[in-house]
Amino acid sequence: QAQLVQSGAEVKMPGASVKVSCKASGYTFTHYGISWVRQAPGQGLEWMGWISVYNTYTNNAHKYQGRVTMTADISTTTVYMELTSLRSDDTAYYYCARDAIVGTTGFSWFDPWGQGTLVTVSS
Amino acid sequence: EIVMTQSPATLSVSPGDRATLSCRASQSVSSNLAWYQQKPGQAPRLLIYGASTLATGIPARFSGSGSGTEFTLTISSLQSADFAVYYCQQYNNRPLTFGGGTKVEIK
Repeated sequence: QAQLVQSGAEVKMPGASVKVSCKASGYTFTHYGISWVRQAPGQGLEWMGWISVYNTYTNNAHKYQGRVTMTADISTTTVYMELTSLRSDDTAYYYCARDAIVGTTGFSWFDPWGQGTLVTVSS
Repeated sequence: EIVMTQSPATLSVSPGDRATLSCRASQSVSSNLAWYQQKPGQAPRLLIYGASTLATGIPARFSGSGSGTEFTLTISSLQSADFAVYYCQQYNNRPLTFGGGTKVEIK
């Protein structure tokens, strides 16, 4: 069945960048978009943006424009999310989550989700 | 941006009782609403989409209703595995947005 496996935890200094990977398996990679959702410790869920794996079109939440880059590597069925200029309030779990249905333009619920990657920003 | 408001923030329920969780959208999202369950240390798990369609493998004690701006998730008879945080999510407009969550705890 469809599965998303994310890279391991990261610790970064303020001002640095982080790149989180999300490897997909069990389905046709190019048929489904991927969103990134973050969750600060003890807080709720926040959508960051979406990438069409088919044509690499992206749509990011206004809050992250200019700081987040989402890419996809079809050869390795992996999606990446890079966040730059890290601040302490970027400390959070970062999840990748697949569109639940084929061929949307990012208007979808999510299933499945990756297991999450904890990014800690601290000096 | 569509703001999703969940209530109550915390719901204390005894095992076997019925739980009713609410989600309100700041403007109509039609039936483009999903519900997720999240347990500590785990990723969210899809429960319901299209406001009322049960996801694959989800027990029938979960049900969803509503459209427009008012939505409800009902758990008919709470089991021990159901104590968790529940989130609603609208996918009608960008940015996609989530509610703040309802924690269902043991009474």
